Amino acid sequence: DQQVKQNSPSLSVQEGRISILNCDYTNSMFDYFLWYKKYPAEGPTFLISISSIKDKNEDGRFTVFLNKSAKHLSLHIVPSQPGDSAVYFCAASSPYNTDKLIFGTGTRLQVFP
Amino acid sequence: EAGVAQSPRYKIIEKRQSVAFWCNPISGHATLYWYQQILGQGPKLLIQFQNNGVVDDSQLPKDRFSAERLKGVDSTLKIQPAKLEDSAVYLCASSLTTMNTEAFFGQGTRLTVV
Repeated sequence: DQQVKQNSPSLSVQEGRISILNCDYTNSMFDYFLWYKKYPAEGPTFLISISSIKDKNEDGRFTVFLNKSAKHLSLHIVPSQPGDSAVYFCAASSPYNTDKLIFGTGTRLQVFP
Repeated sequence: EAGVAQSPRYKIIEKRQSVAFWCNPISGHATLYWYQQILGQGPKLLIQFQNNGVVDDSQLPKDRFSAERLKGVDSTLKIQPAKLEDSAVYLCASSLTTMNTEAFFGQGTRLTVV
C-alpha cells in the first residue's frame, strides 16, 4: 500500500524555466510533508517542508504547495538550474509518529541548458 | 558539523551469507533510522531508535534482519542470511527528537547479493 505517490518517474525541464514536481498521498492523518533531493551515490538531503496548517511554504527558488482537500502537494523550482538535476522524494509523517517518514518513489528531474 | 557516517560504502556477498553495516549519527541526535532503498523505489523505514530503544520496527524482516544501538549512539544493522531481494542501498539517518524535524541521511551502503 503506497501511501505517498509520485506518479511521474521523470521530468525534463529547460534551464531557467519552472520545474513542478507532484506528490499525492492517501493517508488523511499525514500532517507534515517534506521534500528531499538525492544525487547519485549520496544520501537524500532535506530541501523544504510544510505543515498541514499551511498551504504554501517558500524558501528561495523552492516553493511547496499543499492542497489538503485533494491530498496533493507540489514542489516548484523557479528558475530551474542544471545543479537541480537529481531525484526528488516527497515524504510525509503523521502525529502518531512524527519522526517516521513515509517516502514516495521519487521523480528524477533533469534540467538541461 | 560532521554528518551521518556509514560504512562500508559498497558490499557484495553471496546469498545465504551474512553482512553487517555500521552507522554513526550526528552528535546529539537521539533518533536514528535505518532505511532500505530498492532500485526505483523510495526509502522504506526498517527500524527507528530513540536513544537505544526501538520506536518502530514493524517493517523489519526479523527472521533475518537485526539492529542494535547499544549505547544510544552508533548502530549496526545485520542481515543473516542474505537473500537476492536484499540487494538495495541501506541508508542510515538521524534527527533531533523535537517534533517534525528533518532527518539527515548518510551516503548509504550499497549491498549486492549474488
